[in-house]
Amino acid sequence: DADVTQTPRNRITKTGKRIMLECSQTKGHDRMYWYRQDPGLGLRLIYYSFDVKDINKGEISDGYSVSRQAQAKFSLSLESAIPNQTALYFCATSVTGGTGELFFGEGSRLTVL
Amino acid sequence: AQSVTQLGSHVSVSEGALVLLRCNYSSSVPPYLFWYVQYPNQGLQLLLKYTSAATLVKGINGFEAEFKKSETSFHLTKPSAHMSDAAEYFCAVSASGNTPLVFGKGTRLSVIA
Repeated sequence: DADVTQTPRNRITKTGKRIMLECSQTKGHDRMYWYRQDPGLGLRLIYYSFDVKDINKGEISDGYSVSRQAQAKFSLSLESAIPNQTALYFCATSVTGGTGELFFGEGSRLTVL
Repeated sequence: AQSVTQLGSHVSVSEGALVLLRCNYSSSVPPYLFWYVQYPNQGLQLLLKYTSAATLVKGINGFEAEFKKSETSFHLTKPSAHMSDAAEYFCAVSASGNTPLVFGKGTRLSVIA
């Protein structure tokens, strides 16, 4: 079983709909992240959380929100999806006090029509 | 602020030829540096990382990278390309273990038979 699990893996939705992407991990890491991948733009940080009570905005947080429900769970919400939020979304974890090395989930592909 | 520049969005090599993927970074402090690989329709997995120990770092699948502080570079090499190396490669930097990784835009490697 994957250490970092993302659901759903694929989702097609319409403009204006609320979408939640969920991430759970069994690695026991305190730190969790959401990145977005677009062709030619690499991975860009949306939000990150260093522990359950800590939430930080990343480079491209506008239009997104997050919730850290537990050490093992970190969800990403799009309150009102728009087509330019069509992308591949990755959840990742890292260990506190380490090098920042990230451990990634398999990704959630979101298409907004 | 940290940043990463990957020279060449697409590199094509013949099977058996040298692979060289270029990465230059910007960091105000000695960085941690990473190379990740993404195979088609998969998540990202770590190839290798530099954490201020040896400047020549060996990774999985025969890849290695050399940290050159004077050139602010961390280029990825493999002596002999294999068809299975076709993938997208991302260089990433962290100024410390407490800052999220910043990724380059990626280089897609094609291997020609």
